[in-house]
Amino acid sequence: EVQLVESGGGLVQPGRSLSLSCAASGFTFDDYDMHWVRQPPGKGLEWVSGISWNSDRMGYADSVKGRFTISRDNAKNSLYLQMNSLRAEDTALYYCVKDGPVAGTGDNWGQGILVIVSS
Amino acid sequence: EIVMTQSPAALSVSPGERATLSCRASQSVSSNLAWYQQKPGQAPRLLIYGASTRATGIPARFSGSGSGTEFTLTISSLQSEDFAVYYCQQYNNWLYTFGQGTKLEIE
Repeated sequence: EVQLVESGGGLVQPGRSLSLSCAASGFTFDDYDMHWVRQPPGKGLEWVSGISWNSDRMGYADSVKGRFTISRDNAKNSLYLQMNSLRAEDTALYYCVKDGPVAGTGDNWGQGILVIVSS
Repeated sequence: EIVMTQSPAALSVSPGERATLSCRASQSVSSNLAWYQQKPGQAPRLLIYGASTRATGIPARFSGSGSGTEFTLTISSLQSEDFAVYYCQQYNNWLYTFGQGTKLEIE
């Protein structure tokens, strides 16, 4: 069974940094691209960032480009998101997502981790 | 950035009836279009990819169609468990974007 478990969320002040982690199990991690998708409370989904299976390609939403950095450690079956210069509008539930049957889709999602940016 | 626009924002339908949800892309995404279902307090679930291919375990009452910029998700006979929010997503390039969602409500 695929499991994706996010950690590292919490309350942080504007302008500060936070790092999210996602521990993956139940599948061959280094066979798949991975993504972060977020959802502000009561609102819709926003793709944040993605990384290819071998880390040779990464993509970012315009809203986070230059502030967030995605990475992975295939030896540890883990995905990361380093978030710098956080803003109130980054407040959201952050999901770790495994690439699906076609690259760019998400067929397995974590339960999400809440990040609140507030003074 | 490709903008995805879903309509309507909310749709009220009776159980057993058909529901038709629409999604429009601001430029062609070919058939690189997925649909997700999200229930309250749950993560989204992949329903359709490639505009018309059902994901593993998705019932046949869910069907997708379209290509280019116009797409449709049809639920042929609504069951109680189908009332949820539905999102479309384009994955035509590495700047993936979602629609704003359609809330499917019980009439």
